Amino acid sequence: RKEVEQDPGPFNVPEGATVAFNCTYSNSASQSFFWYRQDCRKEPKLLMSVYSSGNEDGRFTAQLNRASQYISLLIRDSKLSDSATYLCVVNYINTDKLIFGTGTRLQVFP
Amino acid sequence: DAGVTQSPTHLIKTRGQHVTLRCSPISGHKSVSWYQQVLGQGPQFIFQYYEKEERGRGNFPDRFSARQFPNYSSELNVNALLLGDSALYLCASSLVFTGGDQPQHFGDGTRLSIL
Repeated sequence: RKEVEQDPGPFNVPEGATVAFNCTYSNSASQSFFWYRQDCRKEPKLLMSVYSSGNEDGRFTAQLNRASQYISLLIRDSKLSDSATYLCVVNYINTDKLIFGTGTRLQVFP
Repeated sequence: DAGVTQSPTHLIKTRGQHVTLRCSPISGHKSVSWYQQVLGQGPQFIFQYYEKEERGRGNFPDRFSARQFPNYSSELNVNALLLGDSALYLCASSLVFTGGDQPQHFGDGTRLSIL
């Protein structure tokens, strides 16, 4: 079983739609949680950290459920520029080792 | 300020050769990590260095090695290259060895192709 699991997609949604991605992680020692965005043939870039209380950044909302070992990302009012791969990332206590999921590909169409 | 810089951007090698990839962290960052990203997969952790010492190692064979220099730049070396080593190699830096609370910043990567 992979340490971080994501649906690879692709998710094809029209502009203005709301889309949600889910991610599960297997190691309960995971301490920090992130969503990274990766454009085609580019490096991953931090989108947002994920906190237990849930957090929002503009059109993006991230949720963490430690009991279920589950992370989510909600994108509202999708833009064409949101088209990318979204990587779910966890790391463990006392390390900087990031564990990435395979990524979920989003394609927003006009 | 410059971000994480990696060189070269692209590299073509043949099986059995060795390769050295280079990374300069963001100014002031002392931690450097290396990741391998095979097409269609997420990045896989290879090494982390902090203050010139290895602080973490992923599940990669001994053909992979790395080091960090006094100026905090880093090299990743891969010997006896295999076709399966074809990948995007990413370097990430962070301010300190934080246990994961602070984000890591990635360079553009080196795209390595093995023929």
